[in-house]
Amino acid sequence: DAKTTQPPSMDCAEGRAANLPCNHSTISGNEYVYWYRQIHSQGPQYIIHGLKNNETNEMASLIITEDRKSSTLILPHATLRDTAVYYCIVRVEEAAGNKLTFGGGTRVLVKP
Amino acid sequence: DGGITQSPKYLFRKEGQNVTLSCEQNLNHDAMYWYRQDPGQGLRLIYYSQIVNDFQKGDIAEGYSVSREKKESFPLTVTSAQKNPTAFYLCASRGTSGYNEQFFGPGTRLTVL
Repeated sequence: DAKTTQPPSMDCAEGRAANLPCNHSTISGNEYVYWYRQIHSQGPQYIIHGLKNNETNEMASLIITEDRKSSTLILPHATLRDTAVYYCIVRVEEAAGNKLTFGGGTRVLVKP
Repeated sequence: DGGITQSPKYLFRKEGQNVTLSCEQNLNHDAMYWYRQDPGQGLRLIYYSQIVNDFQKGDIAEGYSVSREKKESFPLTVTSAQKNPTAFYLCASRGTSGYNEQFFGPGTRLTVL
């Protein structure tokens, strides 16, 4: 699976949009971009995923560049409960395990 | 409610003892996974199972063993051969139809004294 690069940490003001970048310059054509988040001492939670097109759900939006070498997760109105570590993962949807490879992630602190 | 349960939340063991961590899911998922997380680090895959009675080693399987006798259960045994067993252990499951994400349990924090 392709490797991802994320900033180690970022702060965000409550009520503002949080834009979380992820670089995946070695992504291949059949690899999806997944985002998970992990609130302290809990299991990771799935947020969103995409292949080429931008995606939106009730939690967030995912913007993938045209060359697919980077993406941005957008939390439109950050709340204090969005404070967590956010992981960007790229992987192939293959039959052999569908394993997730987690890097260090971005530690997001939402401040009042 | 459907979900994944791990018990206990906190577990303490003496060095040299084997310990088994429980993971149960009622989501009717075929695939199940065990991850280990150390402080400030991402998750690392220990073992995974795509179907009953079958499992594969992940990236850090040494010192661990698993079984998958039932679809809903995937217990992990941390053996005395694991050199640094103190960690946060996370279990996950996934449906195998379509592109379904992994669902994670709440985790078990194991401390070996």
